[in-house]
Amino acid sequence: KAGVTQTPRYLIKTRGQQVTLSCSPISGHRSVSWYQQTPGQGLQFLFEYFSETQRNKGNFPGRFSGRQFSNSRSEMNVSTLELGDSALYLCASSLEHPSGNTIYFGEGSWLTVV
Amino acid sequence: AQRVTQPEKLLSVFKGAPVELKCNYSYSGSPELFWYVQYSRQRLQLLLRHISRESIKGFTADLNKGETSFHLKKPFAQEEDSAMYYCAPPEDETGGGNKLTFGTGTQLKVEL
Repeated sequence: KAGVTQTPRYLIKTRGQQVTLSCSPISGHRSVSWYQQTPGQGLQFLFEYFSETQRNKGNFPGRFSGRQFSNSRSEMNVSTLELGDSALYLCASSLEHPSGNTIYFGEGSWLTVV
Repeated sequence: AQRVTQPEKLLSVFKGAPVELKCNYSYSGSPELFWYVQYSRQRLQLLLRHISRESIKGFTADLNKGETSFHLKKPFAQEEDSAMYYCAPPEDETGGGNKLTFGTGTQLKVEL
């Protein structure tokens, strides 16, 4: 069974640009969550999607958005990039509710904003 | 909202010594708690979940509802246990179970 796949793995963007990250969950998983991981803040929850609907959202500005498609694949977008957005962005999938089921993480997308 | 505290950023122990990674949380409505681990250059993965009561790689975690703690323990540390450990307590009552909050993590370093 293929694991959670994230693309691209590494990318460098300039301040003010926007970026789209993609996540393919494990087959059969309908919940997709996104996290931002930084050395100083650890893992911070961005949002969670289930059946194309955002069910929960973390405390991030509106520049961070996401969506989920009918095949459960998900994308997140960050507009007007700032230097502080440099981080590892992790996608995780689970069968249903993340807090009641094991969640499986992808390897992440390393974003560097210069 | 759920608050998670992992007080130690770095814990250094010698091989063969006991290990205890601390985790305290604020909301204890659900019995489901998790510990996740990230080994060097590997993806974050589940180490254990409280409800299954398994012992994974010699690690156990006892839920103490009175102290709202879920400390991770291992009697004898091994070099391969060196990793970053994250505690993930249950969602609070407002979240509907759709969000997993992680602690800031503890880097365990097992020295020879």
